Amino acid sequence: GENVEQHPSTLSVQEGDSAVIKCTYSDSASNYFPWYKQELGKRPQLIIDIRSNVGEKKDQRIAVTLNKTAKHFSLHITETQPEDSAVYFCAAWITGGGNKLTFGTGTQLKVEL
Amino acid sequence: NAGVTQTPKFQVLKTGQSMTLQCAQDMNHEYMSWYRQDPGMGLRLIHYSVGAGITDQGEVPNGYNVSRSTTEDFPLRLLSAAPSQTSVYFCASSHTGVSYNEQFFGPGTRLTVL
Repeated sequence: GENVEQHPSTLSVQEGDSAVIKCTYSDSASNYFPWYKQELGKRPQLIIDIRSNVGEKKDQRIAVTLNKTAKHFSLHITETQPEDSAVYFCAAWITGGGNKLTFGTGTQLKVEL
Repeated sequence: NAGVTQTPKFQVLKTGQSMTLQCAQDMNHEYMSWYRQDPGMGLRLIHYSVGAGITDQGEVPNGYNVSRSTTEDFPLRLLSAAPSQTSVYFCASSHTGVSYNEQFFGPGTRLTVL
C-alpha cells in the first residue's frame, strides 16, 4: 500500500540550533503534506502544511520544503527552543484507493539546554 | 465549540470483551476518521467516513467496526478485544474528505486489553 517514511526516529539538538526532519512518500498523486506536533500525553496538532503546487512554505521559525520529483518533503525548525521538544509526524494525503491521510512513524525531537 | 470529543479517556478490557469508543464533533465536519497510535509506528488509519452513511476501511481495519448514522458521531466498535488492540485511539475530523483540510484530533482513548 501507499506509505510515508520518516527519518530520523530520534533527534537531539542544542537550544538555538536547527532541526531537520525528512519524509518520503510513494503515491505520486499525493497533493497535500501536513506536519503535526504531539506533546507527551496530548493529541497531535497541525503546525504547518504544504500543497503540491508550492515548493516551500515558512511560518516564523518553521518551514517546510517539498520536492515532488523526488517525492520527499522536509520540516525545518530554526533557533530551536526547549518547548519545541515533542514528537513530530509528517503525513501525506493519499488519493489512490480512497481519500485518506497516511502518517510517518514520527520523530522524537529533544532540544537540550 | 467543543471540537472533537472522545469517551472514555481510559479503558481496561479483558480478552474477548466488546466495547464502543465514542467520538463526536460539533463543527459540522463531513470527514471523520479513527487512528490507533502504537510506539514506533505512528498513527495508523483504522476506518474513515466521508459523510453520514458512508464508511471505508483504512490501513488496519480488522477487529473493528464503524458506522456513521449522523454527521456528528462516529463510534468505533471492538467486536472481541485482543491484547494486540492495546493502543491509544484517536478520532479526527475535517471539513471535507478533499485534501487541504486540516484534521482536528480528539484527546484520545487509552485502551488496555488484558
